Amino acid sequence: GEDVEQSLFLSVREGDSSVINCTYTDSSSTYLYWYKQEPGAGLQLLTYIFSNMDMKQDQRLTVLLNKKDKHLSLRIADTQTGDSAIYFCAERGNRDDKIIFGKGTRLHILP
Amino acid sequence: KAGVTQTPRYLIKTRGQQVTLSCSPISGHRSVSWYQQTPGQGLQFLFEYFSETQRNKGNFPGRFSGRQFSNSRSEMNVSTLELGDSALYLCASSLASGLGEQYFGPGTRLTVT
Repeated sequence: GEDVEQSLFLSVREGDSSVINCTYTDSSSTYLYWYKQEPGAGLQLLTYIFSNMDMKQDQRLTVLLNKKDKHLSLRIADTQTGDSAIYFCAERGNRDDKIIFGKGTRLHILP
Repeated sequence: KAGVTQTPRYLIKTRGQQVTLSCSPISGHRSVSWYQQTPGQGLQFLFEYFSETQRNKGNFPGRFSGRQFSNSRSEMNVSTLELGDSALYLCASSLASGLGEQYFGPGTRLTVT
């Protein structure tokens, strides 16, 4: 079945760029998403990209999509303490339209 | 514009009981999806409703059911609760089924003892 994989942890120094990576298996994905979850809260949609795009930029966030390798990344420029959270990658398949989430990457900011 | 609201926020039930959770989508949104989040399994899709019809269903037993009302509000029901049903239940809304932007509510934390 479809699967979304991402590393569980990432530590980054404040002010540096964070890059969170994700791979997926469904080649028919229509949309790919990045969500942020802070402790005790629901998921906040950060950004999403259509599968026919290879890059999307939104302020400090840059999403890169390599459709051939089924690889998605989220770059956060000038990482701040408020960016500390769990980041989920997700894809929506074209066949069944379900959204499949990765297990999340916990981003830890070092002072 | 108000966001997605879920009630109650916290719930404690005992094994064998049943529970009903409620979700009110963003005004104008007609699609509501439900997810279960646990530390072990992560986020798993339960079902999606659009225009009062279940459009999609995840791999959960029949004890998990849902419905959507004409005002797009949705409820999910879990019968014969098991300890493993303890989780954060998240609801998400979008304008229509299959569209990109899906917004989540804060969730209902269900604890089964």
